[in-house]
Amino acid sequence: DIQMTQSPSTLSASVGDRVTITCRASQSVSTWLAWYQQKPGKAPKLLIYKASSLESGVPSRFSGSGSGTEFTLTISSLQPDDFATYYCQQYNSYPIFTFGPGTKVDIK
Amino acid sequence: QVQLVQSGAEVKPPGASLTVSCKPSGYTFTDYYIHWVRQAPGQGLEWMGWINSKSGGTNYAEKFQGRVTMTRDTSINTAYMDLSRLTSDDTAVYYCARETGREGNNHEFDFWGQGTLVTVSS
Repeated sequence: DIQMTQSPSTLSASVGDRVTITCRASQSVSTWLAWYQQKPGKAPKLLIYKASSLESGVPSRFSGSGSGTEFTLTISSLQPDDFATYYCQQYNSYPIFTFGPGTKVDIK
Repeated sequence: QVQLVQSGAEVKPPGASLTVSCKPSGYTFTDYYIHWVRQAPGQGLEWMGWINSKSGGTNYAEKFQGRVTMTRDTSINTAYMDLSRLTSDDTAVYYCARETGREGNNHEFDFWGQGTLVTVSS
């Protein structure tokens, strides 16, 4: 089974900061990776698919990159609405899916 | 607009079974797979499995095999997730989510239900 890890587990940042979250896979997932944002008490929201494709309606300050086993989610200028937990998900091993453990972005 | 509406919160005793429903609207039900994901309190997301809404075919995470059953009723455009032999470890919010169905190998989840809180307690 493919295992996913994320770093850091928690990130403290200020409005306007550039934020980068890393997701690593235990084996190559090509570019079959998505990123989700989740706020407390809410369902996850799709941000990025196929490692770097921006979901419709998602602000352009979000971007994704990477392939193989290492991926990054970057928020170019953190906004108040961006304080949330972010999860990566691999689907290279379809029909089996795996989520990363999450990265919480909180206020510094 | 696309919406997935789930059934309400439940409290179940240990050993009982659970059924959560998910009723999508705003698209053709049989055109998309439905996945189930759960989240224990303060924990991350855990994928449970999927159902092909057209054929009824399923695939379950190994952890839940033998204990989970996913079904759908195309006459009322509703998907169901049954989980048996509940323990306190099954206390979680259960989500249904639609797989995008984009061309190629894209299998990400673009729309989610609001979540159903299930508490397993005696």
